Amino acid sequence: GAVVSQHPSRVICKSGTSVKIECRSLDFQATTMFWYRQFPKQSLMLMATSNEGSKATYEQGVEKDKFLINHASLTLSTLTVTSAHPEDSSFYICSAPGSGGPTDTQYFGPGTRLTVL
Amino acid sequence: AQSVTQPDIHITVSEGASLELRCNYSYGATPYLFWYVQSPGQGLQLLLKYFSGDTLVQGIKGFEAEFKRSQSSFNLRKPSVHWSDAAEYFCAAAGRGSARQLTFGSGTQLTVLP
Repeated sequence: GAVVSQHPSRVICKSGTSVKIECRSLDFQATTMFWYRQFPKQSLMLMATSNEGSKATYEQGVEKDKFLINHASLTLSTLTVTSAHPEDSSFYICSAPGSGGPTDTQYFGPGTRLTVL
Repeated sequence: AQSVTQPDIHITVSEGASLELRCNYSYGATPYLFWYVQSPGQGLQLLLKYFSGDTLVQGIKGFEAEFKRSQSSFNLRKPSVHWSDAAEYFCAAAGRGSARQLTFGSGTQLTVLP
């Protein structure tokens, strides 16, 4: 099946720094990718929809200036957490739908564990 | 508001025992329904999905789920659990017309005893 990778798998940074997380579709193209945030013992919450060649669409309550999303190519989306603070510590997961149309399966990356000190 | 509920945070079963994980949804119209499994270090893996048709859906790894419209439920079952099934299980739903924007339940952690 299709594979989605994320890099890095875990990152520790100091408060106030910015962190970039990459999401790649390895063997298929994705004009749309999704970014989720998962708190411990909680569900995945959709943060934003990343669109290749256009601006991302953010869910209500998500600060677009803090969570910058760039969908530079058909296989790469990046999430940059700017001026990170401890409350941004979380597990970030991306997904990309297969190319089979609106009902195709979503393929998920393995996630990135962000810890802000 | 659209929502997915998994009432059981944690379930423990013995290896070889049967398993049922509960999932209820609240949507204006019957959504697309999914079950995913999440293991440490791996991405969420799709176990099965329901769009329409036969309400008993077969998935991978011996899992099945039954859609019950009257109960707004989509419970996941497995007749005999293996130790390797220990993981976090998520039920998810998406509005009709696109399976792309998923709403997830809070997850059920499955522990399998030897």
